Amino acid sequence: EIVLTQSPGTLSLSPGERAILSCRASQSVTSSFLTWYQQTPGQAPRVLIYGSSHRAAGTPDRFSGSGSGTDFTLTISRLEPEDFGVYYCQQYGDSRWTFGQGTKVEIK
Amino acid sequence: EVQVVESGGGLAQPGGSLRLSCVASGFTFSSYAMNWVRQAPGKGLEWVSTITAGGDIIIYADSVKGRFTISRDISKNTLFLQMNNLRAEDTALYYCANYVSGTRYKGFEDWGQGTLVTVSS
Repeated sequence: EIVLTQSPGTLSLSPGERAILSCRASQSVTSSFLTWYQQTPGQAPRVLIYGSSHRAAGTPDRFSGSGSGTDFTLTISRLEPEDFGVYYCQQYGDSRWTFGQGTKVEIK
Repeated sequence: EVQVVESGGGLAQPGGSLRLSCVASGFTFSSYAMNWVRQAPGKGLEWVSTITAGGDIIIYADSVKGRFTISRDISKNTLFLQMNNLRAEDTALYYCANYVSGTRYKGFEDWGQGTLVTVSS
């Protein structure tokens, strides 16, 4: 099973700051299946980035994704108040989907 | 407008059963793979099961294999999850979500609000 490890566990930042979230896989993953989700309190997750770097419809351009192989990054260039929440990466491999454990982005 | 609405959650005893349903509208149900994803209270997301658009491929997480069964009724735009031999660790909010397979894959695009399953004596 491919394990996704996200870091840091919690990111404490102020609005306007840049956030850099990491997702590391235990073995190489298919970039086309590397997806980032955002979950805000009380809400279902929503797709932000698919295919490692493609913004989903409605995703603001302050969000960007990059990476390949085992290392992937989600960057939020300037945090807005609505960006605070938990972010998950996800991949498909070995006939199963796996999620990372999440990175919480909280207001400093 | 896309809508995904889960139901069927509730309280079950350890060893008991529940059947979850997910009614979808606003997209071509028969063209999408469907999934169950769960989230234990205060915890992260855990994929549970997937059934492909044609229903020909079904996969499960190891944690539920042999106990849960996913199925779909195309005529009713409905996804099901039969949950047997429930354990305390199955307690979670269960989400239904879809995706398009192949080169048009864009992640799990549409999610419901979830249905809560509590397993306790």
